[in-house]
Amino acid sequence: DAGVTQSPTHLIKTRGQQVTLRCSPISGHKSVSWYQQVLGQGPQFIFQYYEKEERGRGNFPDRFSARQFPNYSSELNVNALLLGDSALYLCASSFGTGNTEAFFGQGTRLTVV
Amino acid sequence: QKEVEQDPGPLSVPEGAIVSLNCTYSNSAFQYFMWYRQYSRKGPELLMYTYSSGNKEDGRFTAQVDKSSKYISLFIRDSQPSDSATYLCAMEGGSYIPTFGRGTSLIVHP
Repeated sequence: DAGVTQSPTHLIKTRGQQVTLRCSPISGHKSVSWYQQVLGQGPQFIFQYYEKEERGRGNFPDRFSARQFPNYSSELNVNALLLGDSALYLCASSFGTGNTEAFFGQGTRLTVV
Repeated sequence: QKEVEQDPGPLSVPEGAIVSLNCTYSNSAFQYFMWYRQYSRKGPELLMYTYSSGNKEDGRFTAQVDKSSKYISLFIRDSQPSDSATYLCAMEGGSYIPTFGRGTSLIVHP
């Protein structure tokens, strides 16, 4: 069975640019959550989408936005990139709205220069 | 004070040792407690979760939750070099927004 897939795996962007990260959940999972993991820290929750609606939002600026498509895949957009946005961006999927049995993808490593 | 505190380590143990990993928390609304394992440059992998207080066992892994002390533990029996990874605790209350610890780096040497 395919797990959570994220693309791209690595990305280098320049300050001020915009980036779009993509996530495909496990088949049958309707919830997708996005996390930012800075080196040496645990993942920080950014967004959760369930059935194409935003169900939760973490403490991130409006430069961060996301959406979920009818096939439950999701995109995370970050505008006006800052050096501090450099991190591993993780996507997790789960069947319901809870995160207790969430499965993570391998992540997208974003470097902002 | 952070909502979830976790010692980053590293914790170095010999193969076969019993490992104890811990987290403390301050938010009494947390009801779900998860443990993840994360290998270098990989996404976290769910090991197990518990609801409220008590113990849960899965193979060599045992999770304990003491809500009165706001303290959770993960025990690994007969540790193996392949257990070397970062272990993350995570907690969730009614908001569906999980809060992660910073992770403890575990090294099991042969």
